[in-house]
Amino acid sequence: ETGVTQSPTHLIKTRGQQVTLRCSSQSGHNTVSWYQQALGQGPQFIFQYYREEENGRGNFPPRFSGLQFPNYSSELNVNALELDDSALYLCASSLATAGRNEQFFGPGTRLTVL
Amino acid sequence: AQSVTQLGSHVSVSEGALVLLRCNYSSSVPPYLFWYVQYPNQGLQLLLKYTSAATLVKGINGFEAEFKKSETSFHLTKPSAHMSDAAEYFCAVSGRNTGFQKLVFGTGTRLLVSP
Repeated sequence: ETGVTQSPTHLIKTRGQQVTLRCSSQSGHNTVSWYQQALGQGPQFIFQYYREEENGRGNFPPRFSGLQFPNYSSELNVNALELDDSALYLCASSLATAGRNEQFFGPGTRLTVL
Repeated sequence: AQSVTQLGSHVSVSEGALVLLRCNYSSSVPPYLFWYVQYPNQGLQLLLKYTSAATLVKGINGFEAEFKKSETSFHLTKPSAHMSDAAEYFCAVSGRNTGFQKLVFGTGTRLLVSP
């Protein structure tokens, strides 16, 4: 069974640029969630995708957007980067079945905005 | 709305001592509760989860947690700490319905283990 993978591992961007982060979900999972973890904080929910549609969103502005593909992999796009976007971005996959809210996390992408 | 509060940003124990990490939750619906561990520069690994079967939940690496509805608590314990337990621990809550679910995390507790 292949776990959740994310790419790239690290990324450095400058303010105002755009970035795309990628996630491959665990085999058999159809739901992907993205979280932002600022330094010293707990992860904060950005949004969730189920069968290629966004089905829930946290308190993040529209410049945070995403996609899910037919193979359930996913992208997180952030436009007009701000310094406060510097964080560890975590992807988690799960199977949307009753009683199965367990989410499996990837290793994360560390984004630094200068 | 759901939330969790983790008491103590840092907990220090000696190797072999009892580990107790505290988590209190708030939820208007019966919750699912989780404990995750995060090692430096890594993602989150699930330690254990409560999904309404047994109130005492056993997880990996010798950890366990007890769901106490009357106290709205889900504290994490381990009888004997090991140096390899040093990490950041997060408590999280979610609802139980199918479809959209998100995890709401606490701010984390860093466990320090001294020889």
